[in-house]
Amino acid sequence: GQSLEQPSEVTAVEGAIVQINCTYQTSGFYGLSWYQQHDGGAPTFLSYNALDGLEETGRFSSFLSRSDSYGYLLLQELQMKDSASYFCAVYNTDKLIFGTGTRLQVFP
Amino acid sequence: DAGVTQSPTHLIKTRGQQVTLRCSPKSGHDTVSWYQQALGQGPQFIFQYYEEEERQRGNFPDRFSGHQFPNYSSELNVNALLLGDSALYLCASSAIAGGPHNEQFFGPGTRLTVL
Repeated sequence: GQSLEQPSEVTAVEGAIVQINCTYQTSGFYGLSWYQQHDGGAPTFLSYNALDGLEETGRFSSFLSRSDSYGYLLLQELQMKDSASYFCAVYNTDKLIFGTGTRLQVFP
Repeated sequence: DAGVTQSPTHLIKTRGQQVTLRCSPKSGHDTVSWYQQALGQGPQFIFQYYEEEERQRGNFPDRFSGHQFPNYSSELNVNALLLGDSALYLCASSAIAGGPHNEQFFGPGTRLTVL
């Protein structure tokens, strides 16, 4: 089967750092992406890792370890607007297989 | 530059009816993928269209069918609606020439409610 596991919910305060983990088990793998989705909105692309290591994009960083089938999204200097659901997704022959999502709540 | 657009935004149907959802891809994109997102869940891949052909399909019954037009826009059709088909239906577009990682841009979705 194919599965991606994430924590269901994470809470943090403004200015803090939070890490959202993702472990995956899929029959095919091209890379791991992260998407952000605000309530009622569309998923928006945050990052993509095809190779092991850390990718940094502004306040957000994403890490991948292919040997461990593991990745994480690191959000720094949290802002209220970062409150949303975050999904890891595996690229598998041009289709995305999504995890169940992590709801991040940022408090003042 | 308009992003991915979908219509309608909301739709209410009754069991047994049929529904058609529409999607226009982002300018320059030639591939359209459809996803179903139940409340509190991640999006589930339904199928993908490229060059007016179904290129890949997820684990969805034949009641779910689609079409892609020469201008790359796409339709998702669902027949014999069930209560369990109630979900947000997302369309994502990408450019096939992008290689194994074709960043997918999502539309705002169509919220389908089946009563």
